[in-house]
Amino acid sequence: DADVTQTPRNRITKTGKRIMLECSQTKGHDRMYWYRQDPGLGLRLIYYSFDVKDINKGEISDGYSVSRQAQAKFSLSLESAIPNQTALYFCATSGSNTEAFFGQGTRLTVV
Amino acid sequence: AQSVTQLGSHVSVSEGALVLLRCNYSSSVPPYLFWYVQYPNQGLQLLLKYTSAATLVKGINGFEAEFKKSETSFHLTKPSAHMSDAAEYFCAVRYTGGGNKLTFGTGTQLKVEL
Repeated sequence: DADVTQTPRNRITKTGKRIMLECSQTKGHDRMYWYRQDPGLGLRLIYYSFDVKDINKGEISDGYSVSRQAQAKFSLSLESAIPNQTALYFCATSGSNTEAFFGQGTRLTVV
Repeated sequence: AQSVTQLGSHVSVSEGALVLLRCNYSSSVPPYLFWYVQYPNQGLQLLLKYTSAATLVKGINGFEAEFKKSETSFHLTKPSAHMSDAAEYFCAVRYTGGGNKLTFGTGTQLKVEL
């Protein structure tokens, strides 16, 4: 089984709809992250969480929210999806002194 | 603000040729540095990392990178490219006290030609 699992892997949704992307990890790490990948822009941090009670905004948090349901689960929500949120989304986890481990990504298309 | 710059969004090499992908970071304090690889339709996989130990770091698949403080660089190299190396490569930086947040470069797409 993968260390970091994202669901769904692909999703097409309509403008204005609410959508949730889910992430779970089996590494036992405290820290979890959501990144967005766009061509030519690399990966940009949306939100990160150090533990269940700690949530922090990243560089591009507008239009997104997150929930850390448990140490192993971190979900990303788009309250009202818009077309420029079409992107590849990655969840990651790390320990305090480890590299980040990434999920396989969720390809989201907003039409 | 911490940042990392990758020179060249696309690099093309012949099979068997040297691969050189460039990465420069901006900081007076040496950060932790990473190279990740992304194959088509897959997530990111760690190639190698620098964490203030040896300046020449060896990674998987024959890749290595050298940390040069004087040049604020962490370029990725491989002596002989293979077709299977075709992928997108990302340099990333993490600063101590930064909550383990990784800041990524914009990526370099490596193409390997026969």
